[in-house]
Amino acid sequence: DAGVIQSPRHEVTEMGQEVTLRCKPISGHDYLFWYRQTMMRGLELLIYFNNNVPIDDSGMPEDRFSAKMPNASFSTLKIQPSEPRDSAVYFCASSWGGSSYNEQFFGPGTRLTVL
Amino acid sequence: GDSVTQMEGPVTLSEEAFLTINCTYTATGYPSLFWYVQYPGEGLQLLLKATKADDKGSNKGFEATYRKETTSFHLEKGSVQVSDSAVYFCALSAQTGNQFYFGTGTSLTVIP
Repeated sequence: DAGVIQSPRHEVTEMGQEVTLRCKPISGHDYLFWYRQTMMRGLELLIYFNNNVPIDDSGMPEDRFSAKMPNASFSTLKIQPSEPRDSAVYFCASSWGGSSYNEQFFGPGTRLTVL
Repeated sequence: GDSVTQMEGPVTLSEEAFLTINCTYTATGYPSLFWYVQYPGEGLQLLLKATKADDKGSNKGFEATYRKETTSFHLEKGSVQVSDSAVYFCALSAQTGNQFYFGTGTSLTVIP
């Protein structure tokens, strides 16, 4: 299995630009999670999906952030317009089933730098 | 609400030293507990897990025991190696499933 795939691995953009991060979960997994990691705030859950439906987006910092999951094998996290404080590593993770026993599998992350 | 508190870092140890990273949790019901490891420039990887009280998770020489009486899940390793240098995260998955609650991470550096 290829694991969770994220692209791009690195993104450098200027303030005000739109940024789109992409994620392909592990085949067969029905939960998908987006996290943000910074030194100051640690690992924060932004949003998660079950069977392509957003379940909890309470972690999305503001309206500039949006996430979609058009099908079981693809999700995007979009920031428009981007700001320097959005600079962070963004992780996508997936898991199978709703049991608390099942671990989440993380992608390698996208390091976003907003200048 | 559910939460995890783990030992502040950074931790620096000499090779072959004994490692303990403390983790305590707050949760209703019977959560599952996990330790994840993050190597530089990579995503989080599952290190070990325990799904019920008194279970011991183990992997690569690391161990952690699910202690319900002390609400703890401390990570231990008897003899660390330079290659163990990484950030370690304690995490909880509530009995109702789905969402994880992560600790703040503990950075470990092992020096030769």
